[in-house]
Amino acid sequence: GAVVSQHPSWVICKSGTSVKIECRSLDFQATTMFWYRQFPKQSLMLMATSNEGSKATYEQGVEKDKFLINHASLTLSTLTVTSAHPEDSSFYICSARDLRQPNSGNTIYFGEGSWLTVV
Amino acid sequence: GEDVEQSLFLSVREGDSSVINCTYTDSSSTYLYWYKQEPGAGLQLLTYIFSNMDMKQDQRLTVLLNKKDKHLSLRIADTQTGDSAIYFCAEMREDGQNFVFGPGTRLSVLP
Repeated sequence: GAVVSQHPSWVICKSGTSVKIECRSLDFQATTMFWYRQFPKQSLMLMATSNEGSKATYEQGVEKDKFLINHASLTLSTLTVTSAHPEDSSFYICSARDLRQPNSGNTIYFGEGSWLTVV
Repeated sequence: GEDVEQSLFLSVREGDSSVINCTYTDSSSTYLYWYKQEPGAGLQLLTYIFSNMDMKQDQRLTVLLNKKDKHLSLRIADTQTGDSAIYFCAEMREDGQNFVFGPGTRLSVLP
């Protein structure tokens, strides 16, 4: 299967700073990537859809200026949490869509996730 | 994931079968999925089923889909302690872009 890698796996940052999380598709090109957030003991909530070469589409209630998404290449999307605060502490997961087999049900691959702790 | 519902907890004894249930609301869903998440880890795809199928079996896993009732279940045969995890049901909407997760079912396997 396809591989999606996230980096870093763990990050601790000070309140007020910005932190960048990378999502890479390692063996396929992904025109579309997705960013999710998961609070402890809760489900995954879609934050935004990242489109290569264009602006991301944000879900309702997600602050565009706070969660900056850049999808500058077909294998890399980045999520930058700007001016981070403790309430931004969460598990962030990305996924990428592999269209090499568009008729297969197995086209979405998830990264390993990134734990963000803001202190 | 308010459109996809699951019971939040399930406890079974080692060696028994586990059945995790899920209901969804969008009849246009093309595929339905089961993911496993172990503590502190990402998502592991267990299995998926196309919406025009009613059953899929893969080793210890059996997925049943009742499209009329929009009900999906995952049966794990001979449940082991290593199966303890959170199991998420998810649906892929017709546009192929929108992936909606249920709240997750926390499976505890008792020795």
